[in-house]
Amino acid sequence: QQPVQSPQAVILREGEDAVINCSSSKALYSVHWYRQKHGEAPVFLMILLKGGEQKGHDKISASFNEKKQQSSLYLTASQLSYSGTYFCGTEAQGGSEKLVFGKGTKLTVNP
Amino acid sequence: NAGVTQTPKFRVLKTGQSMTLLCAQDMNHEYMYWYRQDPGMGLRLIHYSVGEGTTAKGEVPDGYNVSRLKKQNFLLGLESAAPSQTSVYFCASSYSTYTGELFFGEGSRLTVL
Repeated sequence: QQPVQSPQAVILREGEDAVINCSSSKALYSVHWYRQKHGEAPVFLMILLKGGEQKGHDKISASFNEKKQQSSLYLTASQLSYSGTYFCGTEAQGGSEKLVFGKGTKLTVNP
Repeated sequence: NAGVTQTPKFRVLKTGQSMTLLCAQDMNHEYMYWYRQDPGMGLRLIHYSVGEGTTAKGEVPDGYNVSRLKKQNFLLGLESAAPSQTSVYFCASSYSTYTGELFFGEGSRLTVL
């Protein structure tokens, strides 16, 4: 079952912040975040494991709320290069060994 | 260092024809995946493999078959192509789903007429 991402799309001006949410109905072991630019393959951003950790990657960070089965991706002081579609991928607890992606959030950063 | 290579990158089929997509990785990864991407639907898992000789169904396996005879290769087959299988197909591999990122191929665009 696909995780649910929100919002579906967001438009920012350069320098603004954004939050993308990902939620699952299943107990999760890990959450992955990827970014895909038009016509290209998805590119890995970060993984968050069970334990509620928060990670950072330059001005992009994420959190994982294990109790709520939710993850949020935070983009701070957005740059033009942040434009693209962001996908969360979730792996359910119990050793499913498969990564299921949400439908994506399209982020557009304008000058 | 090629990473994940998909062939072919483009293909046009007629309804009922068969074809095989090849995914090859040179990173000695155990896990390999086939996803399809359609507008507004995200990446949907078709089949995956957790090691040589193993395969498992994903979310949308109907109409597809896979094989993993060699660790480095993961084949996706369409026995009788249908217009609903028009999509962009991505192969990915990883060392582990628990801690390993997925490395994606460039994608294969398939059109079924």
